[in-house]
Amino acid sequence: DIVMTQSPDSLAVSLGERATINCKSSQSVIYSSNNKNYLAWYQQKPGQPPRMLMYWASTRESGVPDRFSGSGSGTDFTLTISSLQAEDVAVYYCHQYLSAPYTFGQGTNLEIK
Amino acid sequence: QVQLRESGPGLVKPSETLSLTCTVSGGSITGYYWSWIRQAPGKGLEWLGYISYSGSTNYSPSLRSRLTISVDTSKDQFSLKLTSVTPADTAIYYCAKAFRSGAANSGFDSWGQGTLVTVSS
Repeated sequence: DIVMTQSPDSLAVSLGERATINCKSSQSVIYSSNNKNYLAWYQQKPGQPPRMLMYWASTRESGVPDRFSGSGSGTDFTLTISSLQAEDVAVYYCHQYLSAPYTFGQGTNLEIK
Repeated sequence: QVQLRESGPGLVKPSETLSLTCTVSGGSITGYYWSWIRQAPGKGLEWLGYISYSGSTNYSPSLRSRLTISVDTSKDQFSLKLTSVTPADTAIYYCAKAFRSGAANSGFDSWGQGTLVTVSS
């Protein structure tokens, strides 16, 4: 299984400041045939299902504000919120979909400082 | 956008079978892969398995001996059966749609609201 490890587990950022969440996979999530990173990011607010934010590591899902961006390749990835808004308080998960069993990071709890 | 809704009992006794159904609306089940994912209270996300519209399945090794996922394309539904449940199977169970048409290895762009299943006598 590919193990996904996020850091930090919890993060407090002031409104308007940048938030950065890291994700590391135990092996590369690049598919050699198309050179794509099989990595997604999700946002989960209390009492709600996860919402896809990013796929292919850096492609923003439709409707996701452009303050969210994804970067990285291979085994190391980052989700960045450029200017934190109150509505961004949530738990964020990275997810590899290269090979089954598909696995998620443990989650990063993002709060307002 | 397609909508998903889970249905089934909220309480299951230990050693019995947990059965859930996911109904897809606003689009057809055809052409995509469909997964079950669960989240124990206060914990992270665990992928359980998927089924294609044509019935191909793949299960998490940790549950393979107890899990069956089936599909009914005529009703735009797919279902989960988990046998011999224990309290460790208590979780919110989500159904989810793959974002890539015709591909198993895909993230999930649509999720049901989830249904809490408690395993307790």
